[in-house]
Amino acid sequence: GAVVSQHPSRVICKSGTSVKIECRSLDFQATTMFWYRQFPKQSLMLMATSNEGSKATYEQGVEKDKFLINHASLTLSTLTVTSAHPEDSSFYICSARDRPGRPQHFGDGTRLSIL
Amino acid sequence: QQQVKQSPQSLIVQKGGIPIINCAYENTAFDYFPWYQQFPGKGPALLIAIRPDVSEKKEGRFTISFNKSAKQFSLHIMDSQPGDSATYFCAAPSPGGGADGLTFGKGTHLIIQP
Repeated sequence: GAVVSQHPSRVICKSGTSVKIECRSLDFQATTMFWYRQFPKQSLMLMATSNEGSKATYEQGVEKDKFLINHASLTLSTLTVTSAHPEDSSFYICSARDRPGRPQHFGDGTRLSIL
Repeated sequence: QQQVKQSPQSLIVQKGGIPIINCAYENTAFDYFPWYQQFPGKGPALLIAIRPDVSEKKEGRFTISFNKSAKQFSLHIMDSQPGDSATYFCAAPSPGGGADGLTFGKGTHLIIQP
């Protein structure tokens, strides 16, 4: 149980392109989903929290106009990296939980490479 | 912001040994403290988590020990195997605008030698 699916697993695109990443909870309803970013050999950094049906909450230093988050249903959240540039290249990982106080379950991540 | 300090940064253990990874946190009002295991190119997988009202929890070969007064918790891997070689992260829920998004430790790169 507690499976989180992330798609696509890898994206390579040109600078200036907008990229959408999907995160789905397959066997539970995720009231809250989280988006993290991980650089090589580093830890995960929380970018934003999305609650179903409401605006995302962004961590300090994360540009909300750059990283658009939509959580339209209890099983799907999307992260759109707008006008991506090489410095946005990273490993983006989502997680989900069914209710507060419960451990989060992670997707397998999306490797984004901007040329 | 919640600070989570994890040690050691890297660890090499012979097969069958018991690697121990430590984590210290600052804030106390949280519901659980998890450990995650991450293989290269994959997302973290929840390994085991403990609630703060319990001092120890075992799941298979993995044990969490929790010391509330010292604000520390640790992961022990019994009878370690080469397949346990991975990066391990402790985490604690982040206060503030992130609701209970997690603050991760810097990770421990564990190698189990055959």
